[in-house]
Amino acid sequence: GNSVTQMEGPVTLSEEAFLTINCTYTATGYPSLFWYVQYPGEGLQLLLKATKADDKGSNKGFEATYRKETTSFHLEKGSVQVSDSAVYFCALRGPAGATNKLIFGTGTLLAVQP
Amino acid sequence: DAGVIQSPRHEVTEMGQEVTLRCKPISGHNSLFWYRQTMMRGLELLIYFNNNVPIDDSGMPEDRFSAKMPNASFSTLKIQPSEPRDSAVYFCASVKGSGSSYNEQFFGPGTRLTVL
Repeated sequence: GNSVTQMEGPVTLSEEAFLTINCTYTATGYPSLFWYVQYPGEGLQLLLKATKADDKGSNKGFEATYRKETTSFHLEKGSVQVSDSAVYFCALRGPAGATNKLIFGTGTLLAVQP
Repeated sequence: DAGVIQSPRHEVTEMGQEVTLRCKPISGHNSLFWYRQTMMRGLELLIYFNNNVPIDDSGMPEDRFSAKMPNASFSTLKIQPSEPRDSAVYFCASVKGSGSSYNEQFFGPGTRLTVL
């Protein structure tokens, strides 16, 4: 079945450091891929998405590229800020025609220190 | 739009009591999801509805859990009787669209349930 594997946290960085959070997936066909972010005390929010191979999703300085050959969708940011401290979830949705159900990874806690 | 609305935001109850969590999805959204989040198990999908009909309830942990969606603007998740291991944050999310096209899932702020 479909699944998502994320690197375990917590990830602790200093402000302005480079961020990578790894995500790999297992799926049949061509899934859509997403990164959601959860700030303390809040629900999840969509951060970015990519719906086909080689697509790059980007938002708020974060980027992730859909790599079918390595079944990966790693999240990157060139210079993190304290306000980026949150839990980041990688997620997968089945190909078009499938349901709206998302498969989430376990989440990675990012702590950015000033 | 007010977004997905959940109530209560916090609930503290004693073991054995009935608990009812409520969700109002975004107007016009036709799919609704209930999730549970704990430190041990992470984010789990419990059940989801499409056009008010339950589509997949395979994540519901046991018969003590039940969910209903009597109309497009309201859903409940009930736990009876509640147990301490049910303590978690419960999220409701909604999305507009069918399986042939994707739109973003919008999450509510969650209900933090503590069962003593």
